[in-house]
This record gives sequence, structure tokens and C-alpha cells, in this order.
Amino acid sequence: DSGVTQTPKHLITATGQRVTLRCSPRSGDLSVYWYQQSLDQGLQFLIHYYNGEERAKGNILERFSAQQFPDLHSELNLSSLELGDSALYFCASSVEGTAGYTFGSGTRLTVV
Amino acid sequence: GENVEQHPSTLSVQEGDSAVIKCTYSDSASNYFPWYKQELGKGPQLIIDIRSNVGEKKDQRIAVTLNKTAKHFSLHITETQPEDSAVYFCAARTREVTFGIGTKLQVIP
Repeated sequence: DSGVTQTPKHLITATGQRVTLRCSPRSGDLSVYWYQQSLDQGLQFLIHYYNGEERAKGNILERFSAQQFPDLHSELNLSSLELGDSALYFCASSVEGTAGYTFGSGTRLTVV
Repeated sequence: GENVEQHPSTLSVQEGDSAVIKCTYSDSASNYFPWYKQELGKGPQLIIDIRSNVGEKKDQRIAVTLNKTAKHFSLHITETQPEDSAVYFCAARTREVTFGIGTKLQVIP
């Protein structure tokens, strides 16, 4: 157990739907990062939050959004889902923006 | 932004042999280079890292080297074992971590 908790582990939904992925960071970590992993794209950085504030955006689609709450857990919202959004979504956390990351076990999203 | 290239994409070695994975990065401002191991069905796990002021770091059977001038860094695994079979990612960080595409390592018993 890495200390980073992601729920749900698996999610199957239809095109056009909206889903929310949840991440609880490791105790004491203020930074949360979201990554998308697909077979041909590797690990793609989506967004970084630090202590509730957005710090950086990567290749995140406008249909996707995220937030970090006062208790430091984070949610990634994916809307108007398309088949191509099927992927593993990982959350990682770190003590500060400059340390190594600890990853959760991911949420596997399947859009049908 | 940062671009990290990693090769080979797949690597098969006999148990007991060494494995080497090589990466290059583009942004000279990158100052931290972690390596992750991802086993099937799990998230990436940090196995070793190196900072830009260090040229080499070793942890048991794993070593990393960094050549800042050439913007190259490498992972060396000696005396490979079947449990080393996994996908390995190199990464480089300026603000956020940018990952290489991954190397699938297969250790053949």
C-alpha cells in the first residue's frame, strides 16, 4: 500500500457520460498530480494541485476538470466521455512540488 | 516543455545478466531524475532517483548515471532476477515530472 488511495478501481460508462475519480494523498503530502496512462501515450501529465490551488496544467482536455479540497483529497471530473478517454488514470502525491511522487494504484476507465 | 526519450521499448535478458535502459531529456533546467517500476495492475513505484548535482547513484543491484552535458541518464540493473520483469519509466522534472514512454523488461529464467 503506497498510502495514496484512488477510488473506484474500475469504472465502465457510456459515451457522453460524466464520471468523477477520487484521490486521497499520502498523509502529509500537499501536492496532488493526475496522470493519464494509455497504451500508446505512456504517462501523460494532466494537472497539479498544491494545498488546494491549481499549480500547473498539462495535456488536460477542456472536458476534464479537477479540484483539491481543504482535506487535501482531489477529484478529477471527466465529462462528455468519448471512447478515446478509456485509459488508466493515476493520482500521485508528494510532500512538496519538488520531491519524488508516490502513485496510487489507479482507476481503470472504460468508455463503451 | 520537457521531452524525455527512452529506449529500448522492450528488453529481454537472461536471468543473471545486466539490463541497461537509456534516456535523454531536452530541458537543461531539469534537476531531478526519478526512475519508476510498474508491475502489471499496479501504479508506478519509485525505485531510485538522482539529482542534477550527482553523477552516479547506486542502491544494491540498481544504479543510475547522469551526464548533464549530454542530457543523458541511464538505469543499470545487475544480476537480474525474474521479479525484475516489469515496465520501467525514466523521468525528468523541471516543475512537473515528464515521463519517458517506458521499457518493458523481461527477465527469462
